[in-house]
Amino acid sequence: DAGITQSPRYKITETGRQVTLMCHQTWSHSYMFWYRQDLGHGLRLIYYSAAADITDKGEVPDGYVVSRSKTENFPLTLESATRSQTSVYFCASRGGGGHSYEQYFGPGTRLTVT
Amino acid sequence: GNSVTQMEGPVTLSEEAFLTINCTYTATGYPSLFWYVQYPGEGLQLLLKATKADDKGSNKGFEATYRKETTSFHLEKGSVQVSDSAVYFCALHSGAGSYQLTFGKGTKLSVIP
Repeated sequence: DAGITQSPRYKITETGRQVTLMCHQTWSHSYMFWYRQDLGHGLRLIYYSAAADITDKGEVPDGYVVSRSKTENFPLTLESATRSQTSVYFCASRGGGGHSYEQYFGPGTRLTVT
Repeated sequence: GNSVTQMEGPVTLSEEAFLTINCTYTATGYPSLFWYVQYPGEGLQLLLKATKADDKGSNKGFEATYRKETTSFHLEKGSVQVSDSAVYFCALHSGAGSYQLTFGKGTKLSVIP
């Protein structure tokens, strides 16, 4: 299906484990983003990518790693999960041309770290 | 830096009531402005946008006008329905050279029959 998808939708993991959240988009959008959503903090940008093999830190990057070997995929890895990383994670994308800056969001992954 | 301030919720309205959710912003240059809606258990969906001063964005009965003089982008709907119950986010993009959207904290709307 066209659009932006995330997997898994729900994940429970233990403190200290590595976990990877997947994001895939079918629009060939240049830009992709990872956010976390927490009560009282709204949406906070973790990492973004302007193109394949180009990534940069957002507001809250500590404890996270990203890669972008293909335009359509943008996985987010928690190298050693902590309870403070319990959150809902959203991936988003947007095209790089013109003046349309709106982002399109995936359905989210609810991650619980025990 | 850029910032977006939304009225705090939650907001509870009866069906067919008039809705206003206030949004003001601080930004350099000439930002584009957006309203996103998040239904329970889902991701954010673009509701409407405006890219320059005095533009009016509209969708699904919702409207917002880009007011540069008051740096505002208030969301309005004349008659809300139960199905409008969601969290609404105001956001801005400060234009070329920037990479991210700046979001407000969100306003939860509950519409009761």
